[in-house]
This record gives sequence, structure tokens and C-alpha cells, in this order.
Amino acid sequence: DGGITQSPKYLFRKEGQNVTLSCEQNLNHDAMYWYRQDPGQGLRLIYYSQIVNDFQKGDIAEGYSVSREKKESFPLTVTSAQKNPTAFYLCASSVGGATEAFFGQGTRLTVV
Amino acid sequence: AQKVTQAQTEISVVEKEDVTLDCVYETRDTTYYLFWYKQPPSGELVFLIRRNSFDEQNEISGRYSWNFQKSTSSFNFTITASQVVDSAVYFCALSEAALINNAGNMLTFGGGTRLMVKP
Repeated sequence: DGGITQSPKYLFRKEGQNVTLSCEQNLNHDAMYWYRQDPGQGLRLIYYSQIVNDFQKGDIAEGYSVSREKKESFPLTVTSAQKNPTAFYLCASSVGGATEAFFGQGTRLTVV
Repeated sequence: AQKVTQAQTEISVVEKEDVTLDCVYETRDTTYYLFWYKQPPSGELVFLIRRNSFDEQNEISGRYSWNFQKSTSSFNFTITASQVVDSAVYFCALSEAALINNAGNMLTFGGGTRLMVKP
């Protein structure tokens, strides 16, 4: 089945640690996105990538980093510089233009 | 800057009631796209509809209908004869044409409306 796979579903991080969230898609989409969801605030764009080896910062990129070495993969690293990383993270992809984005099932990150 | 407001944070209805979820947007662009997504408890966002700014026709899909009014910058979503399975968080989102290119479509989301349908 085609789709977007995020892993892990739940992730616990100690303060000061970097963690990487995985996002893989087999939809052959060029564009991929990372959003953060906090209660009552909707989704906010962290990073997006329009093509392999290229990515741009979204609205809340501080404390995060990404890579796009393959079309299918767009991992997100939450660094120790991110002061409030506890949130629900959603990865998405789209064909391009004004088409709808398809979302993964999310990773819930908790700092312990 | 673009902005989407969903003033209703939570709505509770009894099954078979009709319910309307409000969405108001702000944009300076004359060409833009509006979306509705459903987020069930599993967490994944499910696409419901996309509407471009030049098409103000209302749309109906089964029990779902959408009312787009540019004059009031609103894109409201109505569920007729609600069912328990409709319980979810619903998001309205906006994408401006100026931010869309051949391979990108960045969305600005509203805060979401949590709909609870009780049996």
C-alpha cells in the first residue's frame, strides 16, 4: 500500500539529547513537510523540502534539523536546542502545486 | 500574512444532529486554496476537501457539505445527521498561491475544532 510511514509512534527523550524522527513515503511525491502539533494550536510548519538535497525552514525551525538525501525519506532531528520539544509531530508529502498533502500517523515525543 | 481562525474549540452534539464547523481566513493573495482535514484519535490527518479561491460553488459529498463565501472570508463545513464515527478534530487550512510552486504547498492551519458526537 502506498503511504507515509512515521516511526516510532512514541518517543521519549531525556533533556539534552538529540533524537531523530523517521518519515518515509512511497508515493513518489517530490515535496515533504514536517509539522508540529500542540494542543489547541493546530499544526505549525517546521521544515519543508521540495526536492532531494534541498530544504527550507518553516515557521518554527529553531532547534530542529532535517536532511533529504533520498526522495522517499525526510528525517527530522530534534536537537537539545529545542527548549520545548514535547509535542506531536506529523510528516506529510504532496505531489506538488496546490494538491492536497498526505499525512503520516505521527510521532508523539515526550521529554522525560 | 495568512491566518486561519476556527473559533469553536469544542462542539458536542447528539447523534443525528446537524453540526456546522466554522472557518474564517485572512489572506492578501487573490489566488489561494482552502482545505479541510479530519484528525481521528489515531492521529493521522485525513484530507476531506480542497477549494480554490475562484470557485465559490458549494459542495456536497454524502453527509458533508461546504459553504465557501469570499465576501465573509469563510469556508464552513456542515455534517448532516452526525454519527459517532464523525467524532474527531477537524482542521481548516489555507495555502496562498504565492507560496505554491511546482513542488510545494505550505499550509497554514487553524487551531482545530474537536467534535464529539454522543450516541
